Amino acid sequence: GNSVTQMEGPVTLSEEAFLTINCTYTATGYPSLFWYVQYPGEGLQLLLKATKADDKGSNKGFEATYRKETTSFHLEKGSVQVSDSAVYFCALHSGGSNYKLTFGKGTLLTVNP
Amino acid sequence: GAGVSQSPSNKVTEKGKDVELRCDPISGHTALYWYRQSLGQGLEFLIYFQGNSAPDKSGLPSDRFSAERTGGSVSTLTIQRTQQEDSAVYLCASSPGLAGGRGETQYFGPGTRLLVL
Repeated sequence: GNSVTQMEGPVTLSEEAFLTINCTYTATGYPSLFWYVQYPGEGLQLLLKATKADDKGSNKGFEATYRKETTSFHLEKGSVQVSDSAVYFCALHSGGSNYKLTFGKGTLLTVNP
Repeated sequence: GAGVSQSPSNKVTEKGKDVELRCDPISGHTALYWYRQSLGQGLEFLIYFQGNSAPDKSGLPSDRFSAERTGGSVSTLTIQRTQQEDSAVYLCASSPGLAGGRGETQYFGPGTRLLVL
């Protein structure tokens, strides 16, 4: 079956530091990959996505590249801000007739001023 | 436009009682999902509705859980004879459900936080 493994947190960084959150996956076929973010007190929202190998998703300064050879979709940001403090979830769906998402366990990021 | 809405936002119940959780998807979205977010299990899929097709119930943890979707819009998740391990945040999501919707974004509601005493 499908599975997603992401680095365990919590991750604590200073403002303007470089961020990497690792995510690897196991899936049948050719999955689509997602990063969702949950800000404190808010619901899950899509941060970025990629649907095929070598695609790069980007949004709000975050980037992730779909690497089929390493089955990875690592999230990066060059300079984090306090407002980036949130829980980040890597997820996939493998298509077919049901696009249910399989999530990683989430990584809590705290950015200090 | 309006996003996915869920009610109630919080529910406290006693062990053994039944509860109903409601989800209003984004208008026009034919695909609707229920997930559960708990400390021990993370985010897990429960059930999926697509148009008039039979739902995919493969994620429901026991026969105490059921869901329906009336008129292809509003959905209700029912938990019978609640147990303490049912305590979690129940999330609803919807998506356009387009044919061949690879990479389709799911839009999540704010969730219902259920506490079973």
